[in-house]
Amino acid sequence: DTEVTQTPKHLVMGMTNKKSLKCEQHMGHRAMYWYKQKAKKPPELMFVYSYEKLSINESVPSRFSPECPNSSLLNLHLHALQPEDSALYLCASSPSGLMNTEAFFGQGTRLTVV
Amino acid sequence: AQKITQTQPGMFVQEKEAVTLDCTYDTSDPSYGLFWYKQPSSGEMIFLIYQGSYDQQNATEGRYSLNFQKARKSANLVISASQLGDSAMYFCAMREGMEYGNKLVFGAGTILRVKS
Repeated sequence: DTEVTQTPKHLVMGMTNKKSLKCEQHMGHRAMYWYKQKAKKPPELMFVYSYEKLSINESVPSRFSPECPNSSLLNLHLHALQPEDSALYLCASSPSGLMNTEAFFGQGTRLTVV
Repeated sequence: AQKITQTQPGMFVQEKEAVTLDCTYDTSDPSYGLFWYKQPSSGEMIFLIYQGSYDQQNATEGRYSLNFQKARKSANLVISASQLGDSAMYFCAMREGMEYGNKLVFGAGTILRVKS
């Protein structure tokens, strides 16, 4: 299994809603990532988890809250988002995050905040 | 400072011809890895090819090859025999250093269109 699975694929939420994005991998990877991507722009790193511990937070607003319940799962909890948070949210994993390891990406969740 | 620079916002290539997508990078770390990803309109990021800073030879993967010029800090992607399915956004990316779980940082991307 070489897949990173993200659910849901599409999400529309109001600014007062609370929702969660889910990411799952069964490749035994110990580094997992959340990226945000606006249209025609590169992915921007949000968070990195290494061995289920948060290792990098790229100064992301607190309305985004990551969680890594176990080595296979990564969640992104969303609360009180703004319309400008509408984007493609990509999850990725890699065996270690060392310089010679590529990241495997999920298909993303297209989020629209109304 | 920009770590990864892709200067070609868009490129056209005729089907069956070769095309080169440019990428330059900036790092003071002697240990780094360079990656190319393809992103079709569907959104998934597809890993294409990897080049390590200590690799002596240029990486190749099927129709993809990486023209690595370390002194010039460039890592251009060459796609040979272009196909219509190669039309997509292409990103160059870099990891620096030997820390566990470190960042993968992307360039701005190049949109490639293959003409029939």
